[in-house]
Amino acid sequence: QKEVEQNSGPLSVPEGAIASLNCTYSDRGSQSFFWYRQYSGKSPELIMFIYSNGDKEDGRFTAQLNKASQYVSLLIRDSQPSDSATYLCAVNIGRGNQFYFGTGTSLTVIP
Amino acid sequence: DAGITQSPRYKITETGRQVTLMCHQTWSHSYMFWYRQDLGHGLRLIYYSAAADITDKGEVPDGYVVSRSKTENFPLTLESATRSQTSVYFCASRGLAGEGAYEQYFGPGTRLTVT
Repeated sequence: QKEVEQNSGPLSVPEGAIASLNCTYSDRGSQSFFWYRQYSGKSPELIMFIYSNGDKEDGRFTAQLNKASQYVSLLIRDSQPSDSATYLCAVNIGRGNQFYFGTGTSLTVIP
Repeated sequence: DAGITQSPRYKITETGRQVTLMCHQTWSHSYMFWYRQDLGHGLRLIYYSAAADITDKGEVPDGYVVSRSKTENFPLTLESATRSQTSVYFCASRGLAGEGAYEQYFGPGTRLTVT
């Protein structure tokens, strides 16, 4: 079992809709959780991080964490074509300083 | 310019050759990382370094060597390149994102092709 699992997609949503991206992780010792956005041919860039149970909002983005269910999600409200990218879930597991990444979910926002 | 840079950005080499990928950061971050990104596997950690002269293996270290004589540089060497090492390589350094969480900042990547 991989440390971090994501639905590979692709996920398509119409412009203005809510995009929901999901991630599960296997290690209950996981401490911090990150969502990165990666445009084709570019490097990953951080868009959200969360480490407490519950919701964290930043503009159109909301990260949700449920440690009991080992589940973290990213909601993108009012999706824009510029949100079309691959979204990577990353988990910082306590041992070492290693980050484990999911394989990413490809999102396309249709104008 | 401040930030994290990688060189070269693109490299084509032949099987069996040694190749070194360079990474340089100007933030004085203690931690630096090397990842490779392949379709279907996502980002996988090759090696990381907690400080100068301190390195440790990640998930896929075989065939790679790292060194870190200076805080700002973290070169990755493929001692004898194989076709399976064709990939996009990202260097990253770790900084404080806030609220006690640490973010990794990524370099622009090096696309390596081994023929």
